Amino acid sequence: QVQLQESGPGLVKPSQTLSLICSVSGGSISGDYYWTWIRQHPGAGLEWIGYTYHSGKTYFNPSLKGRVSMSVDTSKKQISLNLSSVTAADTAVYYCARVWTTMFRGVITHYYGMDVWGRGTTVIVSS
Amino acid sequence: EIVLTQSPATLSLSPGETATLSCRASQSASDFLVWYQQKPGQPPRLLIYDTSNRATGIPARFSGSGSGTDFTLTISSLEPEDFAVYYCQQRISNWPSSIIFGQGTRLEIK
Repeated sequence: QVQLQESGPGLVKPSQTLSLICSVSGGSISGDYYWTWIRQHPGAGLEWIGYTYHSGKTYFNPSLKGRVSMSVDTSKKQISLNLSSVTAADTAVYYCARVWTTMFRGVITHYYGMDVWGRGTTVIVSS
Repeated sequence: EIVLTQSPATLSLSPGETATLSCRASQSASDFLVWYQQKPGQPPRLLIYDTSNRATGIPARFSGSGSGTDFTLTISSLEPEDFAVYYCQQRISNWPSSIIFGQGTRLEIK
């Protein structure tokens, strides 16, 4: 069964770039799945950051204003997240998840939901 | 901007009762809605997809319904393990494609 594991520094200084990795085990990273990052601020709800496909196609939350990038490394079976110019407002638990879809030529034709989640990793932005 | 509004924010019930959670979209963004359950210290878990289909391993006491802009998650005969936070979610397929979550409903033991 597919398992996801997030990793990365737990502490990032303001104005720096937050970089996280999601490692996929027990299944394919190149199938008809998008891979997504979600974050949860302390005591708050879920915020979608973006999702990416192994072809390089990506979609991001407009509220992140161009600070975010994602990519899939199929050889390492990893999905990366980079968030630049971080502030204290980026302090959160960051989750990666698999997006269950049906697709045609890389285009989502039906979206079902996020069916596999990592356990999350806490990132604190502080000097 | 499309917003999903969940109500109530907190629902206090006893085991054995029925919970009815609402999710309303500010405009019709999708024909389908997704529900997740999140317990403290755990990631969310997929509960319901396509508005009314239970995900693998989800008990039959969980059911989803709705269409257009109004959706409902019903949990009948509440079990102690059902007390958690529930989030609704939709994917906006029109460009730019994005995903939106409701703010969550906390289901607590009365």
